[in-house]
Amino acid sequence: SQKIEQNSEALNIQEGKTATLTCNYTNYSPAYLQWYRQDPGRGPVFLLLIRENEKEKRKERLKVTFDTTLKQSLFHITASQPADSATYLCALDEAQADMRFGAGTRLTVKP
Amino acid sequence: DGGITQSPKYLFRKEGQNVTLSCEQNLNHDAMYWYRQDPGQGLRLIYYSQIVNDFQKGDIAEGYSVSREKKESFPLTVTSAQKNPTAFYLCASSHDAWRRDGYTFGSGTRLTVV
Repeated sequence: SQKIEQNSEALNIQEGKTATLTCNYTNYSPAYLQWYRQDPGRGPVFLLLIRENEKEKRKERLKVTFDTTLKQSLFHITASQPADSATYLCALDEAQADMRFGAGTRLTVKP
Repeated sequence: DGGITQSPKYLFRKEGQNVTLSCEQNLNHDAMYWYRQDPGQGLRLIYYSQIVNDFQKGDIAEGYSVSREKKESFPLTVTSAQKNPTAFYLCASSHDAWRRDGYTFGSGTRLTVV
């Protein structure tokens, strides 16, 4: 069966450290993978998209990797800040099919 | 500023009632989507529309209905046939069906059955 697993429900780190979130999938062949940030009681906000032929993508303090062999994407936030505390969702985008979302990882950055 | 507006923010439904959730966008996006979010689960697609006057069922369309009479609007009706409607409902849009700029989401409507 198809599955999207985000490494853990919650991740706690200290301010200034790098947060690494994992998105693993099975029985999908995504052409694209997207990451979103969601704050409590709000809709998700699009952060980054990475294509299947791209290994890595960066945007300011964010870095995403995409390994289609391992069927895994890693999402890194460097020099994390308390304001980065939120739930982060990965979404798999197969061409001509619906986009599929993981359940999310709740990140807490402690001062 | 362009965006998606969902209303109301909170909605209470009595047993046997139909309720309609509003979703309006001024982004000139062609595609619009309705998702349901439950604790510990990924977003699940209810309905989507790629053009005006056309829409398709998602994974969990039973007990829901939609219309797309205008490009800007994609209302969702939760009917009495939906047995477990308590959830957080999210409307989203994308420039087109290819979604290469990602989705823009609204702020959501929290529906509770009383």
